[in-house]
Amino acid sequence: DARVTQTPRHKVTEMGQEVTMRCQPILGHNTVFWYRQTMMQGLELLAYFRNRAPLDDSGMPKDRFSAEMPDATLATLKIQPSEPRDSAVYFCASGLVLRGLGSYNEQFFGPGTRLTVL
Amino acid sequence: AQRVTQPEKLLSVFKGAPVELKCNYSYSGSPELFWYVQYSRQRLQLLLRHISRESIKGFTADLNKGETSFHLKKPFAQEEDSAMYYCALASGSARQLTFGSGTQLTVLP
Repeated sequence: DARVTQTPRHKVTEMGQEVTMRCQPILGHNTVFWYRQTMMQGLELLAYFRNRAPLDDSGMPKDRFSAEMPDATLATLKIQPSEPRDSAVYFCASGLVLRGLGSYNEQFFGPGTRLTVL
Repeated sequence: AQRVTQPEKLLSVFKGAPVELKCNYSYSGSPELFWYVQYSRQRLQLLLRHISRESIKGFTADLNKGETSFHLKKPFAQEEDSAMYYCALASGSARQLTFGSGTQLTVLP
């Protein structure tokens, strides 16, 4: 049963520290997404990739956030420096987008990384 | 720009009662809509998609383009239906999702 994995599951850090979150998408999927979930804002799309190429990262603060896919099995989301307002659950999702597949383009979500910045 | 609205943050119903979770959308193209569910301490998972016109766990959702709605319905709610429900719209070349703010459904015994 293939699943998206994320590490770490929980992270507590102090303001100003660098945070790196990792995601392993489902093998064979060609799209990867990073979402942030907070009580106030719900689920927000931060960045996404197709075939490892970044398509859009306009959803995240570029001065402190960066998202990369060093290879097809790893996506990373970094925050440097972290701030208390970054406290949230960060979800990674992957999917397979094929032309003509339409609404069968399901996204599969990881368990999330719960980040607390003190 | 696309937008998804779920007007109810919290919804409580009694077991066996009908339930309807509202979702409205705004999108200039042909919409692709989904309902995702997040049970307590579990990951977000797909519940159903409009193109399939299927019923999952007794839930159905019909796309109404005239009213730009995609409400989720179930005739008889069960306690295990208690969860957070998100309506989502796919767009763009990566079919990225725009989520509504979610509705926390509680089914009371």
